[in-house]
Amino acid sequence: KQEVTQIPAALSVPEGENLVLNCSFTDSAIYNLQWFRQDPGKGLTSLLLIQSSQREQTSGRLNASLDKSSGRSTLYIAASQPGDSATYLCAVTSQGGSEKLVFGKGTKLTVNP
Amino acid sequence: GAVVSQHPSWVICKSGTSVKIECRSLDFQATTMFWYRQFPKQSLMLMATSNEGSKATYEQGVEKDKFLINHASLTLSTLTVTSAHPEDSSFYICSARDPRAGRETQYFGPGTRLLVL
Repeated sequence: KQEVTQIPAALSVPEGENLVLNCSFTDSAIYNLQWFRQDPGKGLTSLLLIQSSQREQTSGRLNASLDKSSGRSTLYIAASQPGDSATYLCAVTSQGGSEKLVFGKGTKLTVNP
Repeated sequence: GAVVSQHPSWVICKSGTSVKIECRSLDFQATTMFWYRQFPKQSLMLMATSNEGSKATYEQGVEKDKFLINHASLTLSTLTVTSAHPEDSSFYICSARDPRAGRETQYFGPGTRLLVL
């Protein structure tokens, strides 16, 4: 059974700092991995999707890496801003034709002005 | 990206009553929709996969008679929590797959917060 773990559970940084969020998964047979952003009481916004054959994806100040063999992914946020404050969720889709997403518990990020 | 709406955004009900939550894809036809539940500080957990015109596929441990799912059209899926109890209080989120996009692309609704008194 696939399990996704995110560390740390919460992170507070001053504005302008670069930061890294971590995600690990137990079964390396994944189809892809996604990073989402969730604002309080809101739905999810997809940030980056990395296919299993890829090693990283970039979008603006965000960079996500994937090391499938070790079951790890990182989300790097450069020059953090208060507007980046949210919960960041990592989710994997396992191989085998299923479209099911297995989520981690998320990292709650607070960027202080 | 595509838009998915949910209604209501939050609901308070008495124990024993039934609550219906709607999930709509506004600008695309979704052959597949997913229902998730999220407890405070916990992961989103998939409850069921809803396919238009057929019965939903429920995840292990989810009571199909308690959480009724209907996907009667390509733009609407409903989740009915029957005989709700306080332990059903949670944040329910739906997502919809746009067949025009990659199979891995799911668009999420804003969620419905349910509080059962």
